Amino acid sequence: DGGITQSPKYLFRKEGQNVTLSCEQNLNHDAMYWYRQDPGQGLRLIYYSQIVNDFQKGDIAEGYSVSREKKESFPLTVTSAQKNPTAFYLCASREGAGGELFFGEGSRLTVL
Amino acid sequence: RKEVEQDPGPFNVPEGATVAFNCTYSNSASQSFFWYRQDCRKEPKLLMSVYSSGNEDGRFTAQLNRASQYISLLIRDSKLSDSATYLCAVFNSGNTGKLIFGQGTTLQVKP
Repeated sequence: DGGITQSPKYLFRKEGQNVTLSCEQNLNHDAMYWYRQDPGQGLRLIYYSQIVNDFQKGDIAEGYSVSREKKESFPLTVTSAQKNPTAFYLCASREGAGGELFFGEGSRLTVL
Repeated sequence: RKEVEQDPGPFNVPEGATVAFNCTYSNSASQSFFWYRQDCRKEPKLLMSVYSSGNEDGRFTAQLNRASQYISLLIRDSKLSDSATYLCAVFNSGNTGKLIFGQGTTLQVKP
């Protein structure tokens, strides 16, 4: 089945550690996105990429990094510079301009 | 001012009621609009795209008002299973591909 796979689903890390969240899609979509969601809040855009080897900062990129070396993969690294990393992270992809986003099931990161 | 704003609610309604949500957006160049449904601790799922002419899918109707820069979602004959958070999303191609979400409106349908 086509879709977006995020892993891990749950992740715990200690303060000061970097962690990488995986996002893979087999929908052949060009654009991919990373959002963060805090309890009771909407989705805030971290980074997005419209084509391979290119990406742009969203509204809350500080403390995060991404890469887009392959069309199907868009990993997100949460660095130790991110002051409040505990959140629900959602990856999404979109086929063409103006089209809807399809989401993965999310990764829930908790910093201990 | 936020780019996309929603009343967070919660909206508490009895089964069978009609309920409407609005979502305002600040960028007049916005071109594509969506309503997503999100259940607790799950990913958002597309409920409806919003077209200029409005669109209807069963008990759900979405409309766009470009002059006043808002979109709306109407739910008729509410079911218990409609209880969720409804997120509006606005795509502005003039803003290089960003899809911006509102904070969501929580609906609780009670028996």
